[in-house]
Amino acid sequence: AQSVAQPEDQVNVAEGNPLTVKCTYSVSGNPYLFWYVQYPNRGLQFLLKYITGDNLVKGSYGFEAEFNKSQTSFHLKKPSALVSDSALYFCAVRDRGSGNTPLVFGKGTRLSVIA
Amino acid sequence: DSGVTQTPKHLITATGQRVTLRCSPRSGDLSVYWYQQSLDQGLQFLIQYYNGEERAKGNILERFSAQQFPDLHSELNLSSLELGDSALYFCASSTGGTSSYEQYFGPGTRLTVT
Repeated sequence: AQSVAQPEDQVNVAEGNPLTVKCTYSVSGNPYLFWYVQYPNRGLQFLLKYITGDNLVKGSYGFEAEFNKSQTSFHLKKPSALVSDSALYFCAVRDRGSGNTPLVFGKGTRLSVIA
Repeated sequence: DSGVTQTPKHLITATGQRVTLRCSPRSGDLSVYWYQQSLDQGLQFLIQYYNGEERAKGNILERFSAQQFPDLHSELNLSSLELGDSALYFCASSTGGTSSYEQYFGPGTRLTVT
């Protein structure tokens, strides 16, 4: 069975500092990995994905994530945090099965960027 | 705006009642997924449809059912509602093709059972 762990419920960072939101996963084979962001009273917005190829993937709003197969991690990063980045972040994994299998989400990490 | 629409935005109802949540996927998307988001359970996959047929089932209660219509919109029916069913219900869609990876989420329906 697939699973995702986001070990931090909350991450606080000062504006302008780099941020990292951690994610580790467990799947039987090779995964598809995703990051989504949820702003208050909004749906989830797709940020970025890892499918294959370069381990460093770039996404929306200056976010990037690094796929590390040996550590089964897919941490979300941004070089310089903005107050507007404050939101709930979800890591998700999908099995490389046939068809479009559902996403399995982590519990979410609340990012708070302080001015 | 993801292109996925959900109605209603909010729903308040009493225990024991039945409600229907509606989702219209992005234009051209054949797959529809339903997820439930609650404080204690996080984001849980409920059910998936692809081009009108059920494709996968997750942690969906027997009191809940769904369907996808020929025009590809989907409805999630929740019956004999309990207080614990209060949650945000999201619909997501994807193209369903072999190169389809990410899912696009609607704004959600917030259900409050009193």
